[in-house]
Amino acid sequence: GEDVEQSLFLSVREGDSSVINCTYTDSSSTYLYWYKQEPGAGLQLLTYIFSNMDMKQDQRLTVLLNKKDKHLSLRIADTQTGDSAIYFCAEKDSSASKIIFGSGTRLSIRP
Amino acid sequence: GAGVSQTPSNKVTEKGKYVELRCDPISGHTALYWYRQSLGQGPEFLIYFQGTGAADDSGLPNDRFFAVRPEGSVSTLKIQRTERGDSAVYLCASSLGGTANYEQYFGPGTRLTVT
Repeated sequence: GEDVEQSLFLSVREGDSSVINCTYTDSSSTYLYWYKQEPGAGLQLLTYIFSNMDMKQDQRLTVLLNKKDKHLSLRIADTQTGDSAIYFCAEKDSSASKIIFGSGTRLSIRP
Repeated sequence: GAGVSQTPSNKVTEKGKYVELRCDPISGHTALYWYRQSLGQGPEFLIYFQGTGAADDSGLPNDRFFAVRPEGSVSTLKIQRTERGDSAVYLCASSLGGTANYEQYFGPGTRLTVT
C-alpha cells in the first residue's frame, strides 16, 4: 500500500538551511505536500508540488521532487526559531480523496 | 476569512461512553474530511464527504465510528462505546471539492481522551 517515510528529528543552527527529506511509495501520487504543525496548533499547508514538476520555490522554501526515486525534500533557507515545528510530508493520488501523511520530522533550532 | 473550526477543543470521556465531535468547514467548501492523529504519528484518513454524502468511508476503523453531514456544511463524528485506544486528536479538513480538492485545509482538532 501507500507509505510515506521521513526521518524523525533534525537539528540545525539558527541562520543555517534546513533540509527535510521524504520518500514515498505510491508511483501514482499526483500531489506532494509539506505541512507544518506547531505545538498545540493545527496543520498548516506550507506548500505543495505537482508530480509533473521537479522544483517549486516560495520565499524561503524550496521543494525538490525526484519522481524517479520517489524522493521529496523541503529546504528552509535562513532557518529561524519560529520554524521550530513538526513537518509532515504527504502525498495524494488525483483519483483518491485522502492524503497520506508521513510520521513527521521534528525540526529544532539551536542558537 | 474564517478557517475550519472544531468543537470541543478537548474532550475527556470514560470508557464505554458516546461522544460527538463537531466540524464547521470553510464557507463554500463542498468537500469535508475527518482524520485521526495518534501521538507521534501523522494524520490518518477516516472519511470524506462530498456534499451531504459520504463518498469514501474506508478509513473508519470499525462500526463504532460514524459521521454525518446532513446539510452539506457542518459535520459530526460520532463514536460509540469509546475505548482507550480511541484517544487521539481528531482533525477535520475541508476543500473546494471537485478538481480543487487537493488543497485540504485543516482545523485545530479535537483532543479526545478516553479514561
